[in-house]
Amino acid sequence: DGGITQSPKYLFRKEGQNVTLSCEQNLNHDAMYWYRQDPGQGLRLIYYSQIVNDFQKGDIAEGYSVSREKKESFPLTVTSAQKNPTAFYLCASSRGGGYGYTFGSGTRLTVV
Amino acid sequence: KNEVEQSPQNLTAQEGEFITINCSYSVGISALHWLQQHPGGGIVSLFMLSSGKKKHGRLIATINIQEKHSSLHITASHPRDSAVYICAVRSEGNKLVFGAGTILRVKS
Repeated sequence: DGGITQSPKYLFRKEGQNVTLSCEQNLNHDAMYWYRQDPGQGLRLIYYSQIVNDFQKGDIAEGYSVSREKKESFPLTVTSAQKNPTAFYLCASSRGGGYGYTFGSGTRLTVV
Repeated sequence: KNEVEQSPQNLTAQEGEFITINCSYSVGISALHWLQQHPGGGIVSLFMLSSGKKKHGRLIATINIQEKHSSLHITASHPRDSAVYICAVRSEGNKLVFGAGTILRVKS
C-alpha cells in the first residue's frame, strides 16, 4: 500500500546534538512538507519541497535543515541551533496543484 | 489573531449525540481540509472541499465561502470518534494553514 513512513516514532537526544528525522513516501508525490506541532497550537510549516533538489523555508525554518535528493525522501535535521526542539514532527506529501495531502504518523522528539 | 480559528477547543459528548465543530478563516483560500488526529499522532484526511457540502458515512462537512466558515458534523457519535479534529485552509503556494484543533471525547 502507498503511504508515508516516518521513523522513528519516538526519539530522544541530548541538548546540543543534531538529529535527523526520516520521511519516505511511495506515492509518487512531487511535493513534501515538514510540520511541527506543539500543544494547543496548529501545525506550523518548517520546510517544503515541490520538486527534487529544490526546497523552500516555511514559517519556522530557523534551526532546521532539509534535503531532497530523491523524490521519495525528505529528511529533516534538527540542529543544535533550534532553541526549543522538543515537539511532534509531521511529514506530509501531495501531488501538488490542489490535490489532497497524505500525512505520516509523526515523530515525537524529546531533547533532554 | 490566528488566520484559522476553531471552536470549541474541547468538546465532550455522550454516545449518540450530534456533534458540530466550527472553523472560521480570514484568508483567501482555494480549499479547506478537515483532518482527524488520533492519540498516536497520525493524521488522516477526512474531507477536502471548496464549496457546498460533502458526506462520508456519519461525517458531513459544509463550507460557506462568502462567510469564510466551515462546519464538521458527526451524526450518531461513537467513542471511536474521539480524536482531535483539525481544520486547515490552503492558501497561496499550495501551503496549508492549520487551526489549533478541537479535542473531541465521546463517552459511552
